[in-house]
This record gives sequence, structure tokens and C-alpha cells, in this order.
Amino acid sequence: KQEVTQIPAALSVPEGENLVLNCSFTDSAIYNLQWFRQDPGKGLTSLLLIQSSQREQTSGRLNASLDKSSGRSTLYIAASQPGDSATYLCAVQEMNTGFQKLVFGTGTRLLVSP
Amino acid sequence: NAGVTQTPKFRVLKTGQSMTLLCAQDMNHEYMYWYRQDPGMGLRLIHYSVGEGTTAKGEVPDGYNVSRLKKQNFLLGLESAAPSQTSVYFCASSYPGDSPGANTGELFFGEGSRLTVL
Repeated sequence: KQEVTQIPAALSVPEGENLVLNCSFTDSAIYNLQWFRQDPGKGLTSLLLIQSSQREQTSGRLNASLDKSSGRSTLYIAASQPGDSATYLCAVQEMNTGFQKLVFGTGTRLLVSP
Repeated sequence: NAGVTQTPKFRVLKTGQSMTLLCAQDMNHEYMYWYRQDPGMGLRLIHYSVGEGTTAKGEVPDGYNVSRLKKQNFLLGLESAAPSQTSVYFCASSYPGDSPGANTGELFFGEGSRLTVL
């Protein structure tokens, strides 16, 4: 059974720092890996999607990498801002399920202080 | 472009009452999903649908029923609510079809429905 783990569970940094969020998964047979952002009381917003054949994706100050063989992904946030404060979730899409099922981690709660 | 819309956003029920959550998407997606989110447990799939008229069970289907009579709508029903069903429910959709480049696997989520069962 696929399991997705995110470490740390919570992270507090001062504004301007570069930071890395970690995601690990137990079964490397994945179709893709997605990173989401969730603000308190809100839904999930897709940040980056990395297909299994890709190694990384970038969007603005965000860079996500994928190492399928080791079952790891990282989300790098450059020059963090207070507006980046949110919970970040990673999810893997399993192969051979016949539909696009995601298995989620429990998230990393990020606080960026001014 | 509304994306994925869930109603209601908040609801309080008494044990044994019934209710229906409605999810509507305007992206012509084939697949739709209902997840629940509980503290420390992440999002878990309740039921899903791969097309109009089809539904299937996810990880935690007990106590819930679903229907997909129209492609754009996916309904989640609780026939006899229990306190264990207190949660935040999220609907999502994906898969715009087989057009080249259209199917990225990306899921789009609604803003959630917070349900409390007393």
C-alpha cells in the first residue's frame, strides 16, 4: 500500500530564507507527483505537477524535484515571504489504477514571519 | 470560470439526520472525487466517478453514497449521519479527455464543506 510521508510537520522561518520541504513515498510505481498549497479554511491549490519521466518543475520561486528511484521529492521555496505561510501537501498518483487516484501526505505547515 | 464549486460550505447535523453535499464543475472533466480531510490523517478518498452514470468506492466509503447523474455534478449523501463523519469534505475533478496535451493528471479542488455531526 502506497504511503506518503512529509517531514517536517511544521516549519517556522524568518522572511527571506530559502527553505526545503520534503516528501517521501513507499512505492515508486507512480504516474506523477503533485504539490498543493492549502490556506486555512480553504481548498487545495495545485502548485506543481511532476510527471514520472521528469526530474523537476519550476514555477516562479518554487522548484520541485522528483527522484522516483529513491521515493523522494522536495519543494524548494526561494526568498520566502509571509504570504507563503500555508500548509503544503504532496500527493502521488498511482499507476495502473484505471483512474487518477491521489495518495496524500499529511502536509507541512509553514509559517514565514516578517 | 468557477472551476469546482461545493455547496453547502458549512452544515451542522444531529446524529441520524441525512444530508447531501453537491459538487459542480464547469471544466468538462470526466473524473470526479470526494475526499475527506481529518487532522493528522491527510485526505482520504471516499468515492469517485470516471464518467457520467458511474461511481466506485474509494478508501473509506462506508456510511456514504454518491451519484453522478450529470457529467458536471457529483453528489455525496449521508443517509444517517454519525459523529465520526465530522470532517471537512473536498470535491475534486480531473481528466478533460484524450486531447493531446490536455490530460496532465492535475486535480482541481473545491473549497471544501465543513460538516459537524453532534
